[in-house]
Amino acid sequence: DIQMTQSPASLSASLEEIVTITCQASQDIGNWLAWYQQKPGKSPQLLIYGATSLADGVPSRFSGSRSGTQYSLKISRLQVEDIGIYYCLQAYSAPYTFGAGTKLELK
Amino acid sequence: QVTLKESGPGILQPSQTLSLTCTFSGFSLSTYGMGVGWIRQPSGKGLEWLANIWWDDDKYYNPSLKNRLTISKDTSNNQAFLKITNVDTADTATYYCARNYGSYFDYWGQGVMVTVSS
Repeated sequence: DIQMTQSPASLSASLEEIVTITCQASQDIGNWLAWYQQKPGKSPQLLIYGATSLADGVPSRFSGSRSGTQYSLKISRLQVEDIGIYYCLQAYSAPYTFGAGTKLELK
Repeated sequence: QVTLKESGPGILQPSQTLSLTCTFSGFSLSTYGMGVGWIRQPSGKGLEWLANIWWDDDKYYNPSLKNRLTISKDTSNNQAFLKITNVDTADTATYYCARNYGSYFDYWGQGVMVTVSS
């Protein structure tokens, strides 16, 4: 199985701050990587797919990048509504695997 | 507009079989490349992918659940199903179904809570 190592596990940041979350894949997955945001009591929402493509309706302050087998989600200017838990997902091969999640809080 | 909604028994006893239904609208499981997946999340924990079914009836399962999973679909009625046999307390979770198109889960249901307890 492909392991997705996500970091940090938790993150405290101020409004308007730049936030970066990373996922390291245990093997090459190409661009088959997605990022999700989950707010308390809600289902996950797709933010980024194909490692760098913004999903419909997602604010442009979210962006994704790739360097080899390391993938990053960047929030350029943190807003209150961005608080939640973020997960990466590798969609390269089954079993599809999620990162353990990053809990983003306001400082 | 794409929507999905899960339904299930709410509570069941250890060793029973869990049967879940995903009723969706706004897309068809007969469309080339379309799929529906099941993902679960124990309270306060992360996401675990369980199974996928595709437009051509191909099926993928998470081997960590060994042979306990069965996924199926009713294309005419826009439904997908998941059965988990021999449940125990570790299967207590919120279960989500999600559309899988272009390899990613782009639309998710609201989730259904399932508790396994004696």
